[in-house]
Amino acid sequence: EVQLVESGGGLVQPGGSLRLSCVGSGFTFSTYEMNWVRQAPGKGLEWVSYISSSGETKYYADSVKGRFTISRDNAKNSLYLQFNSLRAEDTAVYYCVRGEYCGGNCFPYPDYWGQGTLVTVSS
Amino acid sequence: DIQMTQSPSTLSASVGDRVTITCRASQSISRWLAWYQQKPGKAPKLLIYKASSLESGVPSRFSGSGSGTEFTLTISSLQPDDFATYYCQQYNNYWTFGQGTKVEIK
Repeated sequence: EVQLVESGGGLVQPGGSLRLSCVGSGFTFSTYEMNWVRQAPGKGLEWVSYISSSGETKYYADSVKGRFTISRDNAKNSLYLQFNSLRAEDTAVYYCVRGEYCGGNCFPYPDYWGQGTLVTVSS
Repeated sequence: DIQMTQSPSTLSASVGDRVTITCRASQSISRWLAWYQQKPGKAPKLLIYKASSLESGVPSRFSGSGSGTEFTLTISSLQPDDFATYYCQQYNNYWTFGQGTKVEIK
C-alpha cells in the first residue's frame, strides 16, 4: 500500500524558517517525481513545488520562488520542503504528493497524497 | 500561466440525482486533466485522469469527458458518500487547480 507521511508542521513567526519532511513507503520512491501542494484554511488547492526523481530538476510556484527549497533523499525515501522568510499567507496544510507518469508531453499527475501537515505563520 | 475555472461553485442535489460539474482551461491542455474529490479534513482523492480515465477502485457512476479547454465531471446517480468538494486540475504545464465545486445536500 502506497503511503506518504508528512511531518514538521507547526506554529512559526513571520520571517521564520521551518522544514517539512515526507516519508514514502509501499512504492519505489526513487523512481517517482514528487510535489508539494498546499491548502490555506477554507480555501482551494495550490501547487507549490516539483522535484524530479533524481532531484536534479526543481520547479516552484511564483508565490514561493526564492523562499522555499524542495529536496529529496532517495536513500531515506524522503522528500523535504525548507521554508524561509515565512509570511502569514503561507499558512496552510501542506501535502506531499506523488506524481504518476502521464504517458505523453505533460507533467506527471497527482495520484497519491499524504494526510497533510499544518503550518501556521503568526506572531 | 494556465487558469482553471470551475462551475458552479456550489451545487445542491439529492441522492439519485445526475450531477455535472464543468471545468474550463484558459488555453488548450489537450486531455491532461484530472478530477479529485475532497472531504473535510482529508486529502484529495483522485477520481479521473487524462480527462476520462477512471482511477482504479473509483465507482463507475463517476465519469469524465472533454478535451482542449472544456471538461465535465458527471456523477450518474449521486450517493450519500458523494457529498464533498470536487476539484479539476490541469497537468499540461505544471499544476493548476480549479477553485472547487461543493456538492451539498438539497
